[in-house]
Amino acid sequence: KAGVTQTPRYLIKTRGQQVTLSCSPISGHRSVSWYQQTPGQGLQFLFEYFSETQRNKGNFPGRFSGRQFSNSRSEMNVSTLELGDSALYLCASSPRWGFGETQYFGPGTRLLVL
Amino acid sequence: GNSVTQMEGPVTLSEEAFLTINCTYTATGYPSLFWYVQYPGEGLQLLLKATKADDKGSNKGFEATYRKETTSFHLEKGSVQVSDSAVYFCALSDPQAGNMLTFGGGTRLMVKP
Repeated sequence: KAGVTQTPRYLIKTRGQQVTLSCSPISGHRSVSWYQQTPGQGLQFLFEYFSETQRNKGNFPGRFSGRQFSNSRSEMNVSTLELGDSALYLCASSPRWGFGETQYFGPGTRLLVL
Repeated sequence: GNSVTQMEGPVTLSEEAFLTINCTYTATGYPSLFWYVQYPGEGLQLLLKATKADDKGSNKGFEATYRKETTSFHLEKGSVQVSDSAVYFCALSDPQAGNMLTFGGGTRLMVKP
């Protein structure tokens, strides 16, 4: 079974631009979560989706948004990019939404904001 | 709120040495606990998990026991290999927070031949 795929793998943007990242979960998985990884802040939860509904949101500004489609694929969008948004963005999927579910992570999208 | 504290790295060991990476947590509920591993240039892979007190998770020679009385989930391996060199993350899942994981800061392990 194919793993979680994320596109693109690498991205360079300039301040003020916006970016959309894509995540395709493992086939049959209906829950998708997003995390930001930086050297300074570590791994921080952005949001999670199940059945096209956002179920939980982390402590990030409104410039960060996401959505999930009926085929469980998910996108996240960052508007008005800032230098501090440079990070590895990880997507994770799981079969269900709920406590204790194992999250399966993709390879990430590395975003560099200049 | 919830938090996870890991020992800071890097941890440098010789091949076949014994490994312990300490992890303690603070949680409002009764969490599930996880160890994930990240190899260079890759995403996170689940190494092991435990869902209730005194459970022992194990995989690939790694073990960790859920200790509720000490709020700990220390990772151990009896004999490390060069291929174990990676960053290890301890994480918890709160019953009130769906699939959301709260991660520790990560511990880099370097194993020398």
